[in-house]
Amino acid sequence: QQQVKQSPQSLIVQKGGISIINCAYENTAFDYFPWYQQFPGKGPALLIAIRPDVSEKKEGRFTISFNKSAKQFSLHIMDSQPGDSATYFCAASIAQAGTALIFGKGTTLSVSS
Amino acid sequence: EAQVTQNPRYLITVTGKKLTVTCSQNMNHEYMSWYRQDPGLGLRQIYYSMNVEVTDKGDVPEGYKVSRKEKRNFPLILESPSPNQTSLYFCASSWTREDTQYFGPGTRLTVL
Repeated sequence: QQQVKQSPQSLIVQKGGISIINCAYENTAFDYFPWYQQFPGKGPALLIAIRPDVSEKKEGRFTISFNKSAKQFSLHIMDSQPGDSATYFCAASIAQAGTALIFGKGTTLSVSS
Repeated sequence: EAQVTQNPRYLITVTGKKLTVTCSQNMNHEYMSWYRQDPGLGLRQIYYSMNVEVTDKGDVPEGYKVSRKEKRNFPLILESPSPNQTSLYFCASSWTREDTQYFGPGTRLTVL
């Protein structure tokens, strides 16, 4: 119930392509879904987040799509660049109850030039 | 500059030798937590603190201790480290438990 399942584990995309990372959850009480980006040798940093009252949120080349009925959310990186090569973590929490973030296991993205 | 600092960044030690990893934040955040990151397992929370003198267990607390005597500091203590505690450790802070987490740069610990 508390798990967040993330796929794929690793992803290789050509420069200019679209990177798609998917996450699924079971607990319908989750109401906050952030994505964190981690570069090698660095700590994770918040990339973009969404709440379930919207189906999509876009910030630059990064878009979160949220499907409440399917209990899934995904990160789309448009026009992927080599500088996007990093590990991406989805997460979920029950913000209203102040619960801790539950992280997915991460996706390592490599964008080849 | 707003930041979370951790020390040391790298540590190699032997089984049973007590160690402390320090964590400090300068954002006046109330919530602080420790995570360990292992390949294929993602980020798992070890301990967290809602405020000074308030700490609680996360998902994987066995073998670890923490203390929160000051708002800015949240040290992680391994009383008797074992090889299965070899990992990459991150400290994080935020205003509240559900808010944006600001992560430190990480401490890579190897226990021989």
